[in-house]
Amino acid sequence: NAGVTQTPKFQVLKTGQSMTLQCAQDMNHNSMYWYRQDPGMGLRLIYYSASEGTTDKGEVPNGYNVSRLNKREFSLRLESAAPSQTSVYFCAVGLSGPYEQYFGPGTRLTVT
Amino acid sequence: GNSVTQMEGPVTLSEEAFLTINCTYTATGYPSLFWYVQYPGEGLQLLLKATKADDKGSNKGFEATYRKETTSFHLEKGSVQVSDSAVYFCALSDHYGQNFVFGPGTRLSVLP
Repeated sequence: NAGVTQTPKFQVLKTGQSMTLQCAQDMNHNSMYWYRQDPGMGLRLIYYSASEGTTDKGEVPNGYNVSRLNKREFSLRLESAAPSQTSVYFCAVGLSGPYEQYFGPGTRLTVT
Repeated sequence: GNSVTQMEGPVTLSEEAFLTINCTYTATGYPSLFWYVQYPGEGLQLLLKATKADDKGSNKGFEATYRKETTSFHLEKGSVQVSDSAVYFCALSDHYGQNFVFGPGTRLSVLP
């Protein structure tokens, strides 16, 4: 039972390159989330998905796209990476009532 | 909108000292409240939670009581250890689980 897994763990991109961050869960819950964590900024919500096939913007969606193809997987895509997207990205799964969230180990992304 | 305020860090304590990290919130209705802990290089882990007024969440010697009259959820531990050094996040979820808000985090360092 892995909970929430994320790949890759580390990534270095050049400005303008694209990549997809993968997240998968084996917890069988509907809600999934993508956050970014920057020093001094706490966690900021990028996108979330309340259920398979639905996605909604969070606080900082610009420059990102997401895809929720099935209940298990929720991917985050950077179409044209920018240095401002250098961050640690966390995927989370949300439980229904009381809605606590469980986090993956994170992906450390550096854009040069 | 909903918000969470935490005491600014970093907090530095000696081993076996008493810990308090203050957290206050603003929310409509009856949110659920959480404390998460993040150890260096890792994702966030749920430390404890409380879902209604006067509930006390506890885990690993940490405690926090949901105080609706003061809109607070302060984290306490009677005797900290070096292994408690981490960043602590207070968070809330609204009644419908659609708004999950994190505080900025408080870094705790415990010295031997």
